[in-house]
Amino acid sequence: RKEVEQDPGPFNVPEGATVAFNCTYSNSASQSFFWYRQDCRKEPKLLMSVYSSGNEDGRFTAQLNRASQYISLLIRDSKLSDSATYLCSRDQGGKLIFGQGTELSVKP
Amino acid sequence: DAGITQSPRYKITETGRQVTLMCHQTWSHSYMFWYRQDLGHGLRLIYYSAAADITDKGEVPDGYVVSRSKTENFPLTLESATRSQTSVYFCASRAGGRYNEQFFGPGTRLTVL
Repeated sequence: RKEVEQDPGPFNVPEGATVAFNCTYSNSASQSFFWYRQDCRKEPKLLMSVYSSGNEDGRFTAQLNRASQYISLLIRDSKLSDSATYLCSRDQGGKLIFGQGTELSVKP
Repeated sequence: DAGITQSPRYKITETGRQVTLMCHQTWSHSYMFWYRQDLGHGLRLIYYSAAADITDKGEVPDGYVVSRSKTENFPLTLESATRSQTSVYFCASRAGGRYNEQFFGPGTRLTVL
């Protein structure tokens, strides 16, 4: 089993839709998790940090389920500009382990 | 300018040549990382460093060498470039502590002919 697994997608959704991505991880000792956004193979940029049960920032909500070892990212009211690849990661001894990313395409 | 920078941004080289990719950060972050990103593989960790003069292998270290004599610099050297090392290389840095965020440089696109 990969250390961090994501559904690669692509997720194709219309503008205004709500979309959710899941990310499962294999190491229960991880204390912190991060969602990154990456556009067209530019550098990943931090979207949200998740330390406890979850975090919310505007249209974005991240939830952490330690019992089932997954984190999710919910995007409400999708915008065209949300089209990107979303990477989840977990902390492991100072370094971050990344999933392969989930591609999102928001259509007009 | 503050932040993390990489040079060169684009590089074309030939098989067998030595290539060094530079990474510089101005935050005095203790951790620095090198990743490569290829289609179908996501971000793969090559090497990382927890502090000056401390480096460790990541997932795909073969064919690469790193050094970290100063906290702010973390060069990555391909000793004898191969076509399979054609990739986008990202450097990143992070302050110590599990809750700290990691920041990426803009990347270097390397093509080995």
